[in-house]
Amino acid sequence: DGGITQSPKYLFRKEGQNVTLSCEQNLNHDAMYWYRQDPGQGLRLIYYSQIVNDFQKGDIAEGYSVSREKKESFPLTVTSAQKNPTAFYLCASRGGAGNTIYFGEGSWLTVV
Amino acid sequence: AQSVAQPEDQVNVAEGNPLTVKCTYSVSGNPYLFWYVQYPNRGLQFLLKYITGDNLVKGSYGFEAEFNKSQTSFHLKKPSALVSDSALYFCAVRDTTSGYSTLTFGKGTMLLVSP
Repeated sequence: DGGITQSPKYLFRKEGQNVTLSCEQNLNHDAMYWYRQDPGQGLRLIYYSQIVNDFQKGDIAEGYSVSREKKESFPLTVTSAQKNPTAFYLCASRGGAGNTIYFGEGSWLTVV
Repeated sequence: AQSVAQPEDQVNVAEGNPLTVKCTYSVSGNPYLFWYVQYPNRGLQFLLKYITGDNLVKGSYGFEAEFNKSQTSFHLKKPSALVSDSALYFCAVRDTTSGYSTLTFGKGTMLLVSP
């Protein structure tokens, strides 16, 4: 199937731990994105990458890191510096007519 | 800068009635406008977009949206609502002339369709 795959769907993190969320796409899109979703706040951009080996900070990059070593993959690491990491994380890629952004199914991260 | 406002946190409509979910935007240049729908615990699904051309855009599941440049609005509409349309709807904008390549989303509007 073509699309964007995020894993794991649910992840629990202890205080002080780093965790990595996986995002893989087989749509041959150049641009990829990470958004954070909190209730009542909509989606906020964490990081984005327009091409391999390049990425830019979004609106709420503090406490997060990314890499873009392959076109298909854009993993997000939530570091211990992120003060309130419990949220729903959405990966997306952009392509097609009008540069539409398409989303994965999301990953829930909970700090315990 | 670019921004989106969805003035209603929730819209309630009876099944079979027409629905409207409101969206206004602000960009410095020409906008690309999008609507997405999100069901519980799922990612966002693309519904429709306005790039250029006809101001009335038709999308998936019978939804349509009207681009109004003078009012800087892009309201989502459907002539006859279904209970299965109940979900969270997001409007998004991208300024095509500023070089800013990302989408900015509104806070979302919960649509509840009653039987």
